[in-house]
Amino acid sequence: GQQVQQSPASLVLQEGENAELQCNFSSTATQLQWFYQRPGGSLVSLLYNPSGTKHTGRLTSTTVTKERRSSLHISSSQITDSGTYFCAMEGGSGNKLIFGTGTLLSVKP
Amino acid sequence: GPKVLQIPSHQIIDMGQMVTLNCDPVSNHLYFYWYKQILGQQMEFLVNFYNGKVMEKSKLFKDQFSVERPDGSYFTLKIQPTALEDSAVYFCASSINTGQLYFGEGSKLTVL
Repeated sequence: GQQVQQSPASLVLQEGENAELQCNFSSTATQLQWFYQRPGGSLVSLLYNPSGTKHTGRLTSTTVTKERRSSLHISSSQITDSGTYFCAMEGGSGNKLIFGTGTLLSVKP
Repeated sequence: GPKVLQIPSHQIIDMGQMVTLNCDPVSNHLYFYWYKQILGQQMEFLVNFYNGKVMEKSKLFKDQFSVERPDGSYFTLKIQPTALEDSAVYFCASSINTGQLYFGEGSKLTVL
């Protein structure tokens, strides 16, 4: 079945540093969303980006459909950015998102 | 932005009992979903639902699970009977078409 791999699995940054999160998927994506989740918390949709580059605030996502990858860049990280980031894609029949394994981000003061 | 509401936020029940998780999707959305997340693990697709029918379900969607949306009211996930391994956070989502999904805040289920 479809698989979504994220890297790195975890990332520790100093406040103010930039983060680059990667997402690779096993088949062509027709949908691609990035989500943020606090430990034990709700899921927040960050960006819907099935292709190209999208920005919102300090976040930039670039999806290269034919290379089956997407990235999420977080600039000037803040302590409150700490949590788990998931990418999710849909690429087949039906309409469901398959989630990646997540990247656990810790931002230290 | 659009909101998906889930009730209850947390439920504790004894193994073998029935539980119904309720989801109030975004008002003009037509596609509905349930996902399951065990603590610290990734989100797993359970089922999607459109036009009154299940479109697709995963192997996690056991025979004890059922979904329905009677007369445009809540989209529900019922588990009967519950098992210990059903303890998880269940997320509901909706979408207007095959585009962006909007998720609720989750219903934490604890089966004792």
